[in-house]
Amino acid sequence: QQPVQSPQAVILREGEDAVINCSSSKALYSVHWYRQKHGEAPVFLMILLKGGEQKGHEKISASFNEKKQQSSLYLTASQLSYSGTYFCGTRGKYGNKLVFGAGTILRVKS
Amino acid sequence: DTEVTQTPKHLVMGMTNKKSLKCEQHMGHRAMYWYKQKAKKPPELMFVYSYEKLSINESVPSRFSPECPNSSLLNLHLHALQPEDSALYLCASSQLGNSGNTIYFGEGSWLTVV
Repeated sequence: QQPVQSPQAVILREGEDAVINCSSSKALYSVHWYRQKHGEAPVFLMILLKGGEQKGHEKISASFNEKKQQSSLYLTASQLSYSGTYFCGTRGKYGNKLVFGAGTILRVKS
Repeated sequence: DTEVTQTPKHLVMGMTNKKSLKCEQHMGHRAMYWYKQKAKKPPELMFVYSYEKLSINESVPSRFSPECPNSSLLNLHLHALQPEDSALYLCASSQLGNSGNTIYFGEGSWLTVV
């Protein structure tokens, strides 16, 4: 089942902050965050695991609320290079099936 | 080296043609994936191979035929495609075992069916 992302799109000025949310009606074991620039492949940003472990990007942080089955990606002091479409993906406990949300388009303006 | 390489980068084919997309990884990953992505949409899973065996087929039409010749290679054979099959086809790989393994994507093959 596809996770739900919000907002659908956001426009920022350089230096501003943004939060992207990802929620699921099914039990989550891991949430994977990717950024995709136009015409390019998705690039891995971060994984959050049930139990609190995080793996990933130095300048981007995220949280995982197990009770709410929700993850949030925090982009602070945004840079022009942060522009792109952000996807969250969710997986079951042992599954190899990564299902992506519809994506959030982020545009950072100078 | 976290790299998944796909060839060709661009492919134009007619509806009666037979072509193949190729994918290679040398990270020792035992899971490999094919995803399809249409414009302004998220990647959609098509197939998963685990230990060179097909483990997930997301009800993909038979005109798409995957093949995993060995642990490093993944092919997608294309035959009698329709114009609506035009999309970006992404190959990916990961370790097996648990939900927290990173899935690494290749740069994709842009397919146009005419």
